[in-house]
Amino acid sequence: GAVVSQHPSRVICKSGTSVKIECRSLDFQATTMFWYRQFPKQSLMLMATSNEGSKATYEQGVEKDKFLINHASLTLSTLTVTSAHPEDSSFYICSARDLGAEAFFGQGTRLTVV
Amino acid sequence: GNSVTQMEGPVTLSEEAFLTINCTYTATGYPSLFWYVQYPGEGLQLLLKATKADDKGSNKGFEATYRKETTSFHLEKGSVQVSDSAVYFCALSENSGYSTLTFGKGTMLLVSP
Repeated sequence: GAVVSQHPSRVICKSGTSVKIECRSLDFQATTMFWYRQFPKQSLMLMATSNEGSKATYEQGVEKDKFLINHASLTLSTLTVTSAHPEDSSFYICSARDLGAEAFFGQGTRLTVV
Repeated sequence: GNSVTQMEGPVTLSEEAFLTINCTYTATGYPSLFWYVQYPGEGLQLLLKATKADDKGSNKGFEATYRKETTSFHLEKGSVQVSDSAVYFCALSENSGYSTLTFGKGTMLLVSP
């Protein structure tokens, strides 16, 4: 299947700093990318859906100014956690799909805010 | 709204044992159902899917049948291997396409030699 690369796999940052997570589709053009968050022993919760070249659509309860999503090209989407706090510590996963195809997932990023 | 409930893990089995991971769902309409697998250090991979009632999805010896009457999509494998150790996620999407997915919490499977 297609490959989605997510980077970094782990990041530790200080409270108040910002962290950027990248999601790349390596061998296909991703017209739509999804960002999920997973708390320990919880489901993957959809945070936002982004289409290339347009603003992301955020799920209810997700702060747009806190979690900045940019889908500038057909192969790259970024999630920036701004002014991170310990409660933002979580596992973040992206997925990508092209028109009419299944979604492929990145490896996930474990964010720890200290 | 939509929801997926799957059994809590970890599920610990010996090699060649029979596996069942239960999954039930709540949805409006007729969702498509999926099982994803996440091996250590890797992303989620689609394992199998079913798009309508009574469909059976199968792959790599795993299978699951879409049961509308019991709103279930239980994952089974007749003989597990150590290499099957992973986290398994049950999921649904609202239509037959690959729209946004609603996931269960995931069930960790540990298979010992």
